[in-house]
Amino acid sequence: GQQVQQSPASLVLQEGENAELQCNFSTSLNSMQWFYQRPGGSLVSLFYNPSGTKHSGRLTSTTVIKERRSSLHISSSQTTDSGTYLCALSPGTGSNRLTFGKGTKFSLIP
Amino acid sequence: AQTIHQWPVAEIKAVGSPLSLGCTIKGKSSPNLYWYWQATGGTLQQLFYSITVGQVESVVQLNLSASRPKDDQFILSTEKLLLSHSGFYLCAWSLTRNTEVFFGKGTRLTVV
Repeated sequence: GQQVQQSPASLVLQEGENAELQCNFSTSLNSMQWFYQRPGGSLVSLFYNPSGTKHSGRLTSTTVIKERRSSLHISSSQTTDSGTYLCALSPGTGSNRLTFGKGTKFSLIP
Repeated sequence: AQTIHQWPVAEIKAVGSPLSLGCTIKGKSSPNLYWYWQATGGTLQQLFYSITVGQVESVVQLNLSASRPKDDQFILSTEKLLLSHSGFYLCAWSLTRNTEVFFGKGTRLTVV
């Protein structure tokens, strides 16, 4: 089965609302990264967060290893936040492999 | 500061023609290097990784090959392109395994 599951697949909110994106994983975790994928395909690294909580502006990432989940919280969302958000994990087996989720497509209604 | 440069930015190639995509990392010696691929609407998946010059491991078989001729260079190639090779190719590096991975800006490949 798929090692990394992102939810929801798509999310539509009004500007100013808070968004919560989830990433659940079925394997042991060594590291977790969150990315924003631009429409052209390139990736913007948001967080490298193997465990705990990290903040960056209006973004917060929380990884709870015991519960096998990581979340990305966007507060007071703006139209510029629209796009695709990806999580990616490196398993705890010491692999050189980064496994990506299918992503969450986030859209804002002005 | 480390920089990662991919070339070309985009390519349109005919089925059956050869392909060579390149990636150079500056400012970091002996990085781990990776190639990723994303079909249109698909999930990013790792194709190859390399932990040292001359050594490349295949993760997914797509009739592609990769080489690391220099410490800071990673090449993705094939002698005969297929329509299914179309997509977005990303090169990436990390210090070691299981550390933060940094990505280049990618190459958009269209096979016609």
